[in-house]
Amino acid sequence: QLQLQESGPGLVKPSETLALTCTVSGGSISTTSYYWGWIRQPPGKGLECIGSIYHSGSTYYNSSLKSRVTISIDTSKNQFSLKLSSVTAADTAVYYCARLNGYEKFDYWGQGTLVTVSS
Amino acid sequence: QSALTQPRSVSGSPGQSVTISCTGTSSDVGAYNFVSWYQHHPGKAPKLMIFDVNKRPSGVPDRFSGSKSGNTASLTISGLQAEDEADYYCCSYAGSYTLVFGGGTKLTVL
Repeated sequence: QLQLQESGPGLVKPSETLALTCTVSGGSISTTSYYWGWIRQPPGKGLECIGSIYHSGSTYYNSSLKSRVTISIDTSKNQFSLKLSSVTAADTAVYYCARLNGYEKFDYWGQGTLVTVSS
Repeated sequence: QSALTQPRSVSGSPGQSVTISCTGTSSDVGAYNFVSWYQHHPGKAPKLMIFDVNKRPSGVPDRFSGSKSGNTASLTISGLQAEDEADYYCCSYAGSYTLVFGGGTKLTVL
């Protein structure tokens, strides 16, 4: 059974960079046909797709976040990562990593990790 | 890309049916048959319930069904059960590897 687990600091100061890692177990991150994505949910709000990455390194980002987002992949560690720079309180959210199977279906998700932006 | 529009809440009694709508535009929901629905119990990982408008992943009860007409997709849950109470989100492909979610609908089982 494929499992994903997010890890990283739960508290980030304003203007700093949020950095999270998703570790994939039970399957290879290099499997063809799948992208690996990040989704977030601010408190009391809906889900927002941040972006995704293929094992080759090809990335796609939400246009509203594109200038601040970097998603990378380390196939040797079966991990992919998210960096979001110049964070503000509006970036406070539960961050999920997930496997993107096809055009729009996230079929495996991590449990999510709460990141709070505060001084 | 604007979020898809969902009702903030719906409710129904056990055994009844409810339908949750998801309205987009001709650039997302109306353009592609790539609409998915997720069930989200707070504190847990979202769960894929419907993909490609009307397909169910293995293990999802056939009480859950999806459809689409024009720019609006719908999720219907029949034979409501207490455990169906959750937040539901739609998601659509919007071209150029862009995905857009709905704002979410809280389902209350009365």
